[in-house]
Amino acid sequence: QQKVQQSPESLIVPEGGMASLNCTSSDRNVDYFWWYRQHSGKSPKMLMSIFSNGEKEEGRFTVHLNKASLHTSLHIRDSQPSDSALYLCAASAQGGRALIFGTGTTVSVSP
Amino acid sequence: EAAVTQSPRSKVAVTGGKVTLSCHQTNNHDYMYWYRQDTGHGLRLIHYSYVADSTEKGDIPDGYKASRPSQENFSLILELASLSQTAVYFCASSRDNQDTQYFGPGTRLLVL
Repeated sequence: QQKVQQSPESLIVPEGGMASLNCTSSDRNVDYFWWYRQHSGKSPKMLMSIFSNGEKEEGRFTVHLNKASLHTSLHIRDSQPSDSALYLCAASAQGGRALIFGTGTTVSVSP
Repeated sequence: EAAVTQSPRSKVAVTGGKVTLSCHQTNNHDYMYWYRQDTGHGLRLIHYSYVADSTEKGDIPDGYKASRPSQENFSLILELASLSQTAVYFCASSRDNQDTQYFGPGTRLLVL
């Protein structure tokens, strides 16, 4: 069964600092990666998705993808207290059933 | 934005009792999903459906049944609730299996 591994499990970042999160899939058929953000007590919401090699930037958030290694990373610059949340990585494969989620990285931004 | 609602929002059930969780979406999406979330386990897929009157098993289907009577509605049924089924349950919908999933607010289930 496909696995999605995320690291680190948790991360403390000073306000204004950079947070870097990692995600790797073990399934060679994966062709799409997703990042969801879940604030405490809320439901997950899609943050960014990527399917092409390289980088994608949206505001303070940047996602990288290396398809050869099936590794994606999410970088949050100028971190704000509102960025404190659980970040879930998910992967999907053409013809696959549904997204497979990792166990997440908890980010805490300290003022 | 896509709308997915769940009911009830929280429930206390007794061991061995029957529990039904309901999900409704107004997005005209074909795919609907049920996940459970436990601390340290992220989101785990229980059942999903891509067409009315048909459901598929996810990764942890044991102890759960699902029903999709219409495109808009998807239910999760625990016939004999057990302590281990205490968790937060999320419903989600998407246009297809490689499209953004929109989640409902979740149902917090406590089995005593």
